[in-house]
Amino acid sequence: EPEVTQTPSHQVTQMGQEVILRCVPISNHLYFYWYRQILGQKVEFLVSFYNNEISEKSEIFDDQFSVERPDGSNFTLKIRSTKLEDSAMYFCASSVPLSGDLSYEQYFGPGTRLTVT
Amino acid sequence: GNSVTQMEGPVTLSEEAFLTINCTYTATGYPSLFWYVQYPGEGLQLLLKATKADDKGSNKGFEATYRKETTSFHLEKGSVQVSDSAVYFCALSSFNNDMRFGAGTRLTVKP
Repeated sequence: EPEVTQTPSHQVTQMGQEVILRCVPISNHLYFYWYRQILGQKVEFLVSFYNNEISEKSEIFDDQFSVERPDGSNFTLKIRSTKLEDSAMYFCASSVPLSGDLSYEQYFGPGTRLTVT
Repeated sequence: GNSVTQMEGPVTLSEEAFLTINCTYTATGYPSLFWYVQYPGEGLQLLLKATKADDKGSNKGFEATYRKETTSFHLEKGSVQVSDSAVYFCALSSFNNDMRFGAGTRLTVKP
């Protein structure tokens, strides 16, 4: 069964450094998302991406964040200058296949745990 | 905008007890509703879903019914096991929209 994959599983970085989190969505999906979950808290939406551009973003997704689909398979989240409060689990998701299931289900990757020291 | 309100817990039950975790939602249009489960140190796993009113999602003994009249999607299980200990998230999604999650309910099942 197709699945969303994310790398790395755990990233440790120093405050002020840039990080890039990588995701490979399900290949025939059209929408891509990033969410974050601060330890012990709820899952929060960051950004959605469709047709090579951002379709929606939350107030969390400020100028320090950017997303890119550099090729036909990868979907990346970049944090330009990390802060301590960026420490969280980051989940990538994809949805809406070209045909078939219209349940609006989003398929989540296993997450990348980002630790900013 | 769309939102989900979920019983926050934590919930502690004995093995074989009956479980209910309440979830209500606010949404425009006709969203799909989901329950996700997160085991310690792991990611989000889809537990069950329902895509229209009166649909019942079920999986691994868990059930939830999409109730449009009460805007609810309560999670139930007749007899919980220790292995069900996890955090459960109610969520909704509609076309072209982000998925909105509830705050999560931590369930601990004791032998």
